[in-house]
Amino acid sequence: NAGVMQNPRHLVRRRGQEARLRCSPMKGHSHVYWYRQLPEEGLKFMVYLQKENIIDESGMPKERFSAEFPKEGPSILRIQQVVRGDSAAYFCASSPSRQNEEPQHFGDGTRLSIL
Amino acid sequence: RKEVEQDPGPFNVPEGATVAFNCTYSNSASQSFFWYRQDCRKEPKLLMSVYSSGNEDGRFTAQLNRASQYISLLIRDSKLSDSATYLCVVNSNTGNQFYFGTGTSLTVIP
Repeated sequence: NAGVMQNPRHLVRRRGQEARLRCSPMKGHSHVYWYRQLPEEGLKFMVYLQKENIIDESGMPKERFSAEFPKEGPSILRIQQVVRGDSAAYFCASSPSRQNEEPQHFGDGTRLSIL
Repeated sequence: RKEVEQDPGPFNVPEGATVAFNCTYSNSASQSFFWYRQDCRKEPKLLMSVYSSGNEDGRFTAQLNRASQYISLLIRDSKLSDSATYLCVVNSNTGNQFYFGTGTSLTVIP
């Protein structure tokens, strides 16, 4: 499967714990986007990364959330000290270039549940 | 004002019907437009890009009206498998972000 790979598919955490969500882009794609989707709502942009660089993090909460896309390995979305409101589906998408006419391809998402 | 606005529906149509969705966007500098579909609790999947001259892919036709800042999706001869939420997507003026509409729900009824 050469698509965008996200893991885990489902993640359960207790309040105050850390959540780490991983995303491997499609082969040949070096641009990664993270989105959050609350139940019955649309996708909200969080952050856009290129290898080793954060290009735009304007949609990411200033506290507790961070993202990285190292030279080697998957992109990681990290949520520290999770709260109930962090429960959502987190989708990762990738595209081959910065040209914004390229559509994004999505992974299956990680469903995060906070107890 | 939201960057992208869609009528949430729901649209309930019989098999074989023709249905159209519209989507308006606020940023006149937007250059890229797409329609995605999302099935319940699944990831969004690209349905089609929307080009200035309009484009067609089988039963699906997409149109762009820059003057009025809206895009449309027309589905002809609806199938049961077309039941899904259809998301309108527009890029930001910086090109760094894509804005997603909240989606229009379609149910095709036998």
